[in-house]
Amino acid sequence: SQQGEEDPQALSIQEGENATMNCSYKTSINNLQWYRQNSGRGLVHLILIRSNEREKHSGRLRVTLDTSKKSSSLLITASRAADTASYFCATDPLSEKLVFGKGTKLTVNP
Amino acid sequence: GAGVSQSPRYKVAKRGQDVALRCDPISGHVSLFWYQQALGQGPEFLTYFQNEAQLDKSGLPSDRFFAERPEGSVSTLKIQRTQQEDSAVYLCASSREEAEAFFGQGTRLTVV
Repeated sequence: SQQGEEDPQALSIQEGENATMNCSYKTSINNLQWYRQNSGRGLVHLILIRSNEREKHSGRLRVTLDTSKKSSSLLITASRAADTASYFCATDPLSEKLVFGKGTKLTVNP
Repeated sequence: GAGVSQSPRYKVAKRGQDVALRCDPISGHVSLFWYQQALGQGPEFLTYFQNEAQLDKSGLPSDRFFAERPEGSVSTLKIQRTQQEDSAVYLCASSREEAEAFFGQGTRLTVV
C-alpha cells in the first residue's frame, strides 16, 4: 500500500511559472524525499528533508515539511520545459524502506 | 560505473516462464531495495536488503517472487512461472544508511 499521496495528480503550466506540488503521508517518518521521473526512465533523487527540518532549498527547488500536518510541498520556481516529468514524494515510516505516492504529472508548456 | 545498473533493460517472457533480473548497486552501499512500478503508478516496495541480509520482504506479492543478495553486493530478483499481472517496471535502488536512495533505470518486464 502507498503512504504518500501527491496533489494534484496532474499539473499543466507555462514556462516561467512556478509549480507547487503537495504530499501528505500517514505515519511518523525519519525523512521525506522528492524524486523526479521522466517518461520511461528511472527515478532521480531531488532533495531529502529530515523530520527536524522545516524548509530546504536546492537551486530552483524549495521543499517544506510540516510534521504536525504530515504534509510536504515541493515548489519549482521559474519552470522550464525540461522540468516536464512525474514527481513523487517518498517517506520512510520509521524504517529503511521508502514508501512512494502515486505522483504528480507536471507538464511545462514552452 | 558510478550509478545503479540494472539488466536487462527490457525483458519479454512467455506466461509461465521464469525470469531473473539483476541489480548492481553503487559500490559501498549497504542498503538495496527492489520496487515494482505499474504503468501510471508510483513504485511499490517489494523487498529490502542490508548487506546480504534480507530484512524486509513484506512487499513480495507471492511466493513466485524471490530475491537474493548472497555477497552483499549484486542482487537478483527472480520471478517464477510469470503471469501477465507481473508485467511492470522493476526498479532497484541502493543507499548508504539513512541517506538518499539512488535508482537504476529499471527493467521493463512484459509477460505475453
